[in-house]
Amino acid sequence: SYALTQPSSVSVAPGQTARISCGGNNIGTKSVHWYRQRPGQAPVLIMYFGSVRPSGIPERFSGSNSGNTATLTITRVEGGDEADYYCQVWDAIYNHVFGPGTKVTVL
Amino acid sequence: QITLKESGPALVKPTQTLTLTCSFSGFSLTTSRVGVGWIRQPPGKALEWLALIYWDDDKRYTPSLKRRLSITKDTSKNQVVLTMTNMDPIDTGTYYCAHSVEALGSAFDYWGQGTGVTVSS
Repeated sequence: SYALTQPSSVSVAPGQTARISCGGNNIGTKSVHWYRQRPGQAPVLIMYFGSVRPSGIPERFSGSNSGNTATLTITRVEGGDEADYYCQVWDAIYNHVFGPGTKVTVL
Repeated sequence: QITLKESGPALVKPTQTLTLTCSFSGFSLTTSRVGVGWIRQPPGKALEWLALIYWDDDKRYTPSLKRRLSITKDTSKNQVVLTMTNMDPIDTGTYYCAHSVEALGSAFDYWGQGTGVTVSS
């Protein structure tokens, strides 16, 4: 099976930059997606193909994917960014795999 | 506008079979490169992908639960049904269905609100 790793938590002050990593073997060769889940709500897709933002997602959110690490970056962090963030990989062999999630806390 | 909604029993007993229905609108499962998946989330824990069915009736399952899962579609009703056999308390959680399209790398771009399932005697 294919395993993904994420930091369990990231803390960031308002206005600063949060970076959330997603590690996996040769993840740079796979389709990586990111979701934000606020408490009590369903997940929302915020990035696909590693760096493409769906409509309605602010430019403060960006992504990259290379080697063994994909990264979601949130600039000018706001209180509303406080949530759990999950990476997800799709490939033809492993199908869909979610990471363990990262809780982002805005200080 | 794409919407999905899950329905099913809130409480099932251990060893019973769970049947969940995803009713959707705004797209058709006869459209090429479209799929509907099921994802679950135990209380306080991470998301776990369970199964996905594609427009061409291709079906995929997470390996660890493959023997217990079955996913089917009824295109005339715009519904996808997931069954999970031999339910256990560890299967307690929120179950989501979601729309997936190959053009977005099979990302889940629309989600239902989720339905809570408790497994208890």
